[in-house]
Amino acid sequence: KNQVEQSPQSLIILEGKNCTLQCNYTVSPFSNLRWYKQDTGRGPVSLTIMTFSENTKSNGRYTATLDADTKQSSLHITASQLSDSASYICVVEDYKLSFGAGTTVTVRA
Amino acid sequence: EPEVTQTPSHQVTQMGQEVILRCVPISNHLYFYWYRQILGQKVEFLVSFYNNEISEKSEIFDDQFSVERPDGSNFTLKIRSTKLEDSAMYFCASSEKVWGHPLHFGNGTRLTVT
Repeated sequence: KNQVEQSPQSLIILEGKNCTLQCNYTVSPFSNLRWYKQDTGRGPVSLTIMTFSENTKSNGRYTATLDADTKQSSLHITASQLSDSASYICVVEDYKLSFGAGTTVTVRA
Repeated sequence: EPEVTQTPSHQVTQMGQEVILRCVPISNHLYFYWYRQILGQKVEFLVSFYNNEISEKSEIFDDQFSVERPDGSNFTLKIRSTKLEDSAMYFCASSEKVWGHPLHFGNGTRLTVT
């Protein structure tokens, strides 16, 4: 069964600090990997989409990396802001989308 | 920026009742989806819809569920006889193409079955 595992489950960081979220997957073959941001009580919003041939993609202060050989991806948040408090979901696509359980990030002033 | 809209934002219903959740996808999108998220759990796929028919459905999407695109703009999810375990956030999503394009999600309908 294709799985997408994210770590940590949650983390707390101080405003202005950086953090990195991890995603390991067993989906194979896969066509792309996505990161979504989900604010509490809202729908997920796409941050990045990377194909298997891409190693990194940025969207403002969010930078996603992908290592298709080790089946790992990370999402790095630079200079965190209070508005970054949300759940970040890793999604892997083969012929369908497989969702991770998400990492809940809390940014404190 | 165009967005997916869902109504109602919150629906409370009694067990055994029928509910219809409504969605207006982005106008030039061709692929439509319903997902659900039980509180504290991961987003789960229910069904995808293209060219006026279901293209794929999950094992969650049993005979109690149906989808319809009654006109050129609305996309609905019907649950025929709700159960307590149907309580969840239901998200509609749409995309321009099926592969490699971001899903655009609505803000969901919170369904509470009592």
